[in-house]
Amino acid sequence: EIVLTQSPGTLSLSPGERVTLSCRASQSVSSTYLGWYQQKPGQAPRLLIHGASSRATGIPERFSGSGSGTDFTLTISRLEPEDSAVYYCQQYGSSLSFGGGTKVEIK
Amino acid sequence: QVQLQESGPGLVKPSETLSLTCTVSGDSVTSYYWSWIRQPPGRGLEWIGYMYYSGSTNYNPSLRGRVTVSVVTSKNQFSLRLSSATAADTAVYYCVRGHTPGIGDNWGQGTLVTVSS
Repeated sequence: EIVLTQSPGTLSLSPGERVTLSCRASQSVSSTYLGWYQQKPGQAPRLLIHGASSRATGIPERFSGSGSGTDFTLTISRLEPEDSAVYYCQQYGSSLSFGGGTKVEIK
Repeated sequence: QVQLQESGPGLVKPSETLSLTCTVSGDSVTSYYWSWIRQPPGRGLEWIGYMYYSGSTNYNPSLRGRVTVSVVTSKNQFSLRLSSATAADTAVYYCVRGHTPGIGDNWGQGTLVTVSS
């Protein structure tokens, strides 16, 4: 089983700041099979990024994904108040697994 | 636009079988991949399993032997059965559509299932 470790656990930032979230895998993951989700309280998760760097339909350009092998990153170029949420990475190549999540708070 | 809606009992007794149905509208279950994902209260996401309408399935190894995902094409639904339920199975259960096995392009709103006597 591939274990995904996300860091940091919580981030508190101001609107307009750049946000970088990390997802590290216990073994190599094909970039084709790495995704990122956003989940707001009381809502289902929403797919942001698939294939490590492809934005899902309707996702704003301020969200971008990158990485390969065991290290992947989700970047929010300019934080908006509505970006307050928990962000999860997922690998869907070898079986499936999710990271533990990073909570992004707005100051 | 595709919509997914979970339905089923909100309370299940320990040792019984947890059964949920996902009704799909705006698309056919004879395309894409259909998954179940759950989230215990206050915790992260856990993949349960997925299937393609042709019958191919893939399940979380930690649940294998207890879980069955199946499709009813005539009703445009797919279902989850999780046997021998315990309190550890208490969670919000989501049904999910993906263009690739296991990816979650579209999600239902989720339904809370509590396992308790």
